[in-house]
Amino acid sequence: GAVVSQHPSRVICKSGTSVKIECRSLDFQATTMFWYRQFPKQSLMLMATSNEGSKATYEQGVEKDKFLINHASLTLSTLTVTSAHPEDSSFYICSAIRGTGPDTQYFGPGTRLTVL
Amino acid sequence: AQSVTQLGSHVSVSEGALVLLRCNYSSSVPPYLFWYVQYPNQGLQLLLKYTSAATLVKGINGFEAEFKKSETSFHLTKPSAHMSDAAEYFCAMNWGGGSNYKLTFGKGTLLTVNP
Repeated sequence: GAVVSQHPSRVICKSGTSVKIECRSLDFQATTMFWYRQFPKQSLMLMATSNEGSKATYEQGVEKDKFLINHASLTLSTLTVTSAHPEDSSFYICSAIRGTGPDTQYFGPGTRLTVL
Repeated sequence: AQSVTQLGSHVSVSEGALVLLRCNYSSSVPPYLFWYVQYPNQGLQLLLKYTSAATLVKGINGFEAEFKKSETSFHLTKPSAHMSDAAEYFCAMNWGGGSNYKLTFGKGTLLTVNP
């Protein structure tokens, strides 16, 4: 089946530093990937749509200068949290589209970010 | 506006009992509907999906769900709960079809299974 990985699985950083999270589709090419954010005991909130070779599309209320997304290849999208603060601490999950249709979205295992 | 409502943030059942997790949707166009399961500190795993074919959908691990347009519901059921079913369950919807892959998630239901 389709496999999506994320790296790192956990990261702890100091306030003010930047953190990069990678999302990879391991056995398929994905022109479209999504980044979600999940607060404790809450649902997933879509942050942005990452399209290979073009700029990401951000959802309303998401700061594009704070959450930088790069989709440089068909198997890799990165999310960089710039100048992280404690309120950015969250569980970040990516997903990748394999094939066509909304039922072809595969999720990564998530990255737990803790900002001290 | 398109939305997904999961009734009950926490459901507790005994091992061997029926599992029923409720999901209602609001959409102006026929939606695709999904149930995902999330174990602690893990990503989401697709349990089953409704994509306008059969209204009764069977998924993995013995789960099934029935799409009822008249009730705008897509409840998840399992006849007999197992301890390993304890997890967070999310109902999700896609209404765009075509090239719109965005999912709207419900708030989730935490299922606990008591021995």
